[in-house]
Amino acid sequence: AQSVSQHNHHVILSEAASLELGCNYSYGGTVNLFWYVQYPGQHLQLLLKYFSGDPLVKGIKGFEAEFIKSKFSFNLRKPSVQWSDTAEYFCAVNAVNTGFQKLVFGTGTRLLVSP
Amino acid sequence: NAGVTQTPKFQVLKTGQSMTLQCAQDMNHNSMYWYRQDPGMGLRLIYYSASEGTTDKGEVPNGYNVSRLNKREFSLRLESAAPSQTSVYFCASSVDGNSNQPQHFGDGTRLSIL
Repeated sequence: AQSVSQHNHHVILSEAASLELGCNYSYGGTVNLFWYVQYPGQHLQLLLKYFSGDPLVKGIKGFEAEFIKSKFSFNLRKPSVQWSDTAEYFCAVNAVNTGFQKLVFGTGTRLLVSP
Repeated sequence: NAGVTQTPKFQVLKTGQSMTLQCAQDMNHNSMYWYRQDPGMGLRLIYYSASEGTTDKGEVPNGYNVSRLNKREFSLRLESAAPSQTSVYFCASSVDGNSNQPQHFGDGTRLSIL
């Protein structure tokens, strides 16, 4: 079965600091990869997604993620965080060509950005 | 364009009571999902409906039932609520489950079982 690991459960940064959140998955085949963000009291929103092509994916609000197939990783990055980036971030994976595709989510990383 | 709408937003139940969580989407999506979100555990799939007329179990289906009423609506029922079902429940939809389309989420239902 697929699984997704997000090793950083809580991250605290000051504004303007750089951000990198780790995401590793376990599945040997082709995958689709997603990062979702959940702002306090809101629903999950898609930040970015990777399906194929350039492994460096750019999303909304200055976020990007790099797919490294050899490391089974899809880390999320942002060069300079803002207070408004305070949220919980979820990495999610679904396996391609295994029937109905169901997303498997990581446990989430709660980011707090102090002004 | 409302997207995915869930009702109610908050609910408190007593152990043993039953209730139905409602979900509707207006994006003409074929696939719909119910998740629960618990601290430190991320989102876990309860049930999904690949298309109108079909439903299947996800990772944590015990204690729940679902109905895909039509293409728009997908409800989740707790027949006899237990404290372990205290959680935040999210409904989601996607174009279908056999593509790389992302899922769109509702605002969630915060459910407490006393």
